[in-house]
Amino acid sequence: QQQVKQSPQSLIVQKGGISIINCAYENTAFDYFPWYQQFPGKGPALLIAIRPDVSEKKEGRFTISFNKSAKQFSLHIMDSQPGDSATYFCAANFGNEKLTFGTGTRLTIIP
Amino acid sequence: DGGITQSPKYLFRKEGQNVTLSCEQNLNHDAMYWYRQDPGQGLRLIYYSQIVNDFQKGDIAEGYSVSREKKESFPLTVTSAQKNPTAFYLCASSEQGSDEQYFGPGTRLTVT
Repeated sequence: QQQVKQSPQSLIVQKGGISIINCAYENTAFDYFPWYQQFPGKGPALLIAIRPDVSEKKEGRFTISFNKSAKQFSLHIMDSQPGDSATYFCAANFGNEKLTFGTGTRLTIIP
Repeated sequence: DGGITQSPKYLFRKEGQNVTLSCEQNLNHDAMYWYRQDPGQGLRLIYYSQIVNDFQKGDIAEGYSVSREKKESFPLTVTSAQKNPTAFYLCASSEQGSDEQYFGPGTRLTVT
């Protein structure tokens, strides 16, 4: 079965620090890797996504790092703010539009 | 939440009753999806539809049914055969051929 393994399950970071969430995948056919942000009681929102032809993508304070040989990708949140406190999900698919999700990371930013 | 509407936000049912969750989108997206979210398990795909009058089972379709009679609507029925129906249900949509899925606000179903 296609799997995407996400870690850590929960993360506490001080305001202004860097939050790092990691994901690993098994299926080398995956060609699209998005990150979603979800606030309590809300639906997930697409945050940033990457394809395997680049090793890094940055949008504002959010960066995806991608290591194709290791089959890993990570989300970095620079200058983390209390408003970033949410659950983050990584996901992957290979063109059939069926996203496979990680189990989520609950991020808490403390003052 | 964009142009995806799910209603109601909270739904309560007695065990043994079928219940239908609504999902409507005005994004003119061809593809629609239903996911189930449980604590610690991420999102799991129940059913998806890439075109009107056609749909496919996802990873956990047992105990669920769907229809796609209109492009903008993709209702999900949770039947009495679903052994553990209490969960947060999320509907999503995407353009045909696009990887980007957009989610609705979700419906929290509680069955007692």
